[in-house]
Amino acid sequence: AQSVTQLGSHVSVSEGALVLLRCNYSSSVPPYLFWYVQYPNQGLQLLLKYTSAATLVKGINGFEAEFKKSETSFHLTKPSAHMSDAAEYFCAVRRGGSSGSARQLTFGSGTQLTVLP
Amino acid sequence: DGGITQSPKYLFRKEGQNVTLSCEQNLNHDAMYWYRQDPGQGLRLIYYSQIVNDFQKGDIAEGYSVSREKKESFPLTVTSAQKNPTAFYLCASRTGAANTGELFFGEGSRLTVL
Repeated sequence: AQSVTQLGSHVSVSEGALVLLRCNYSSSVPPYLFWYVQYPNQGLQLLLKYTSAATLVKGINGFEAEFKKSETSFHLTKPSAHMSDAAEYFCAVRRGGSSGSARQLTFGSGTQLTVLP
Repeated sequence: DGGITQSPKYLFRKEGQNVTLSCEQNLNHDAMYWYRQDPGQGLRLIYYSQIVNDFQKGDIAEGYSVSREKKESFPLTVTSAQKNPTAFYLCASRTGAANTGELFFGEGSRLTVL
């Protein structure tokens, strides 16, 4: 079984500061990893995904994430926070195996990002 | 514009009543999903459908039912057997391969049971 752990349910940064949201996964097979963002009372939107190609993945809105197998991590970063980045961020891993249920996404519990002026 | 439409956005019901949440997509995606979101718990999979006339239980299917009679539609019924139905419900469809594909989400339906 695969799972993800997001460290820190709430993160606050100042506008212009570095954003770092942490995600660690557990997997017995090479994982597929995703970051989604959710704005208040809306659905989720894909930011970026790792599918075993380049380990540094660039996404939308200036976000990127680096897959580190040795650390079983897939942390999300952005060099300079903007007020519009305030949202909840979810890390997700695709479960292993070949069955239909095995290929479903497992989501972390989310990290709420606050950007201070 | 292509996308997923969920309705209603807000729904209030009394205990013991069944309610049906609508999910319609015009993205021509085969796979569709229902998730439940509770504060601090992320998203949990209720049901999913890979193709018309077929659907599978997810992790928390008890007290819920679905149908998939048309490619575009995947309604979710929250039955009176669901012990704690108050939650935010999200419908999604998937593009691309099963392992690497992206999920597209609707804006959600917030159900409150009084």
